[in-house]
Amino acid sequence: DAGVIQSPRHEVTEMGQEVTLRCKPISGHDYLFWYRQTMMRGLELLIYFNNNVPIDDSGMPEDRFSAKMPNASFSTLKIQPSEPRDSAVYFCASMSLVGLANYGYTFGSGTRLTVV
Amino acid sequence: AQSVSQHNHHVILSEAASLELGCNYSYGGTVNLFWYVQYPGQHLQLLLKYFSGDPLVKGIKGFEAEFIKSKFSFNLRKPSVQWSDTAEYFCAVNAGAAGNKLTFGGGTRVLVKP
Repeated sequence: DAGVIQSPRHEVTEMGQEVTLRCKPISGHDYLFWYRQTMMRGLELLIYFNNNVPIDDSGMPEDRFSAKMPNASFSTLKIQPSEPRDSAVYFCASMSLVGLANYGYTFGSGTRLTVV
Repeated sequence: AQSVSQHNHHVILSEAASLELGCNYSYGGTVNLFWYVQYPGQHLQLLLKYFSGDPLVKGIKGFEAEFIKSKFSFNLRKPSVQWSDTAEYFCAVNAGAAGNKLTFGGGTRVLVKP
């Protein structure tokens, strides 16, 4: 398995533009998580899905952020409009409840977003 | 709500020194505990985890952690560090009642001087 795949690896955009981050979880994993990492706030959970259904989006900063999981193999995190304070590394992670004790959560390589 | 505290934000030590990183969590029920490592510019990788059984858990690269339930702690240790252990270390808690989400501590940046 290629692991959790995120794209793009780097994104530089201008303030006000729409940004879409993508994630492909590990096949068979039934949980998917979106985290944001900044120097000031560390790792924050934004939202997570179970079987493609959003379970907890309490970490989503505001209405400018939205996330979808249309199927078991794909999820997007969208920011519209983007602002400089959204600059961060966004990680996607997936997990199988059955395999949790053996493998834990698997993280993607992250997307480094810079909003100028 | 579950929370995780890592008391050391930065640690600097020399090669061959021993390392201990503190982690405390706040949740009264059954928890699963993790330590992740993030090397510069990379994603998080699992070092070790505790679910049940022996409270002394051994992980990869010579790391171990001890779960002390009475202290709500899960401290990470390594007897002799190497320059390649320079990284940021994150403690994390998953409480099943919280819906299987993973809550992270603030991280500890470790710099090992050669």
